Amino acid sequence: SQQGEEDPQALSIQEGENATMNCSYKTSINNLQWYRQNSGRGLVHLILIRSNEREKHSGRLRVTLDTSKKSSSLLITASRAADTASYFCATYTGANSKLTFGKGITLSVRP
Amino acid sequence: GAVVSQHPSRVICKSGTSVKIECRSLDFQATTMFWYRQFPKKSLMLMATSNEGSKATYEQGVEKDKFLINHASLTLSTLTVTSAHPEDSSFYICSAPREAYQETQYFGPGTRLLVL
Repeated sequence: SQQGEEDPQALSIQEGENATMNCSYKTSINNLQWYRQNSGRGLVHLILIRSNEREKHSGRLRVTLDTSKKSSSLLITASRAADTASYFCATYTGANSKLTFGKGITLSVRP
Repeated sequence: GAVVSQHPSRVICKSGTSVKIECRSLDFQATTMFWYRQFPKKSLMLMATSNEGSKATYEQGVEKDKFLINHASLTLSTLTVTSAHPEDSSFYICSAPREAYQETQYFGPGTRLLVL
């Protein structure tokens, strides 16, 4: 069953703008991860935030986690056309290394 | 860095035939690999956990006899779709946790299966 629910489901922005994507989940987690998927390809790990962390940065990525609201956000600053992809949040509970993925957000960055 | 490969990248087969998909970890050992199925514009659905040297663990609702998984070595897991039907057409992706960091996973590039 799916744990994460991202919103919006689709996002279209102009190059240079910031993109914010949100994810909500239902159960307690060990950490939350964001992955990127280019069309017809596998997923690439972007960033991981642990349950005891509130914010994390990696390059143009900023992720926040609010465990009281069971939600996370991924911010991509100064977006580029190459950022066009689907983005998934995935929760990790520590059981058997399994990840549970949300439905994904399709981001389109217009040049 | 560590990479996971899948073969074939796409396959078209006739209904009733069986198709084998390979998932390899290229420069690390993976005692566990995961198989996912993804429908168009949908999320990944975990099908099963492949365990080296033991039986795979299937998720609820996934037919074990339909989707045979074999994890014969520390670098190879195979998924065989037996007696494939058009409804089995999908994008199949495997992944493996990094050896030292079980929390994140490397994903293969996926296999597009089309059953006619």
